[in-house]
Amino acid sequence: DQQVKQNSPSLSVQEGRISILNCDYTNSMFDYFLWYKKYPAEGPTFLISISSIKDKNEDGRFTVFLNKSAKHLSLHIVPSQPGDSAVYFCAASAYSNSGYALNFGKGTSLLVTP
Amino acid sequence: GAVVSQHPSWVICKSGTSVKIECRSLDFQATTMFWYRQFPKQSLMLMATSNEGSKATYEQGVEKDKFLINHASLTLSTLTVTSAHPEDSSFYICSAGGGGADYEQYFGPGTRLTVT
Repeated sequence: DQQVKQNSPSLSVQEGRISILNCDYTNSMFDYFLWYKKYPAEGPTFLISISSIKDKNEDGRFTVFLNKSAKHLSLHIVPSQPGDSAVYFCAASAYSNSGYALNFGKGTSLLVTP
Repeated sequence: GAVVSQHPSWVICKSGTSVKIECRSLDFQATTMFWYRQFPKQSLMLMATSNEGSKATYEQGVEKDKFLINHASLTLSTLTVTSAHPEDSSFYICSAGGGGADYEQYFGPGTRLTVT
């Protein structure tokens, strides 16, 4: 059962424009949300996170918005750069006896064209 | 900071043999380490969670006797795929918590396992 969903498998954006990647979740117990960037045959790289008690977190060109009532979050990248082309995974975390395990979406492949 | 390494980066083994993959946190102590598996164009699937000095907690459907996990120290966890079969061929990625906020995980570069 996929608790974290990224419904857009791919997205193409022109350089300089805004990239918006979306993520939906079903489990209201999730208390942290994270975005990772991944290149083929490499491990994910942590980008930005947000706590469930906030609705926005910003770090440079990356901003994550959280809408708890809609169980929806989004990652905004502005301005987009060709080096941002990668697969972006949304992940959600809830504390358990095992610690903070992550539930991942299936990823969105972002292509930023010059 | 928060660097995680994995070794080997890729390995080819024959069916029936065992393969050990190491995961190390290089600049922090990892209280918890996680092992994931990723099939082509799929999400990362959590296999198990390990805490230093205790037995790993396996996700439903993951055979604990086949995927042996040892978290011997605060900087090292190993995953041993025993009696490997071609269907075990996959990309295995470890992550470690403890390098930042409690909920943050830092990932290793992954290990590509091919079983022939």
